[in-house]
Amino acid sequence: GENVEQHPSTLSVQEGDSAVIKCTYSDSASNYFPWYKQELGKRPQLIIDIRSNVGEKKDQRIAVTLNKTAKHFSLHITETQPEDSAVYFCAALHGAGSYQLTFGKGTKLSVIP
Amino acid sequence: DGGITQSPKYLFRKEGQNVTLSCEQNLNHDAMYWYRQDPGQGLRLIYYSQIVNDFQKGDIAEGYSVSREKKESFPLTVTSAQKNPTAFYLCASILAGNTGELFFGEGSRLTVL
Repeated sequence: GENVEQHPSTLSVQEGDSAVIKCTYSDSASNYFPWYKQELGKRPQLIIDIRSNVGEKKDQRIAVTLNKTAKHFSLHITETQPEDSAVYFCAALHGAGSYQLTFGKGTKLSVIP
Repeated sequence: DGGITQSPKYLFRKEGQNVTLSCEQNLNHDAMYWYRQDPGQGLRLIYYSQIVNDFQKGDIAEGYSVSREKKESFPLTVTSAQKNPTAFYLCASILAGNTGELFFGEGSRLTVL
């Protein structure tokens, strides 16, 4: 089955700096890679996603890059703010006909004011 | 107001008792999932169902059971065979065809006394 590795497990940055979280996946048939943000005590919510036919996607301060050859994808948050503090999860959706989403173990991001 | 409803939000159970967690969605989504969340472990898949009357085991199915008699409902039973059931349980759903976002319920926190 699919295996998703996520690093780092914790990340502290100063407000205004950038944060980068990296994930690797094992199944070359995976074709959809979402990122979820989970605030304390709340449900995970989608913040950005990328499909295998695209190398990069940006939405304001958040961007995701995908390298299919190396089977890794990354989340980039620029100009971090205290409200960005949360746990972030990457995930990979298996190939055609599958609805099985495998998650990384999460990264706890702390933005220090 | 469309979404996924989980109940109860908090549940306490004595050892040796079975409990059932409810998950209902009115999004007309085809696939539904149960994830277990433990600190530092990310989201681990328990069971998932792509269509009515069919479901598959995820990575940690032992000690759990599910049913999918209706498209809208996917209840999870935590049986007495689950040795460490205290956790946060998240139900989710997705529209068929790998169209993207996984929608989560607010979660159910189960504590075994």
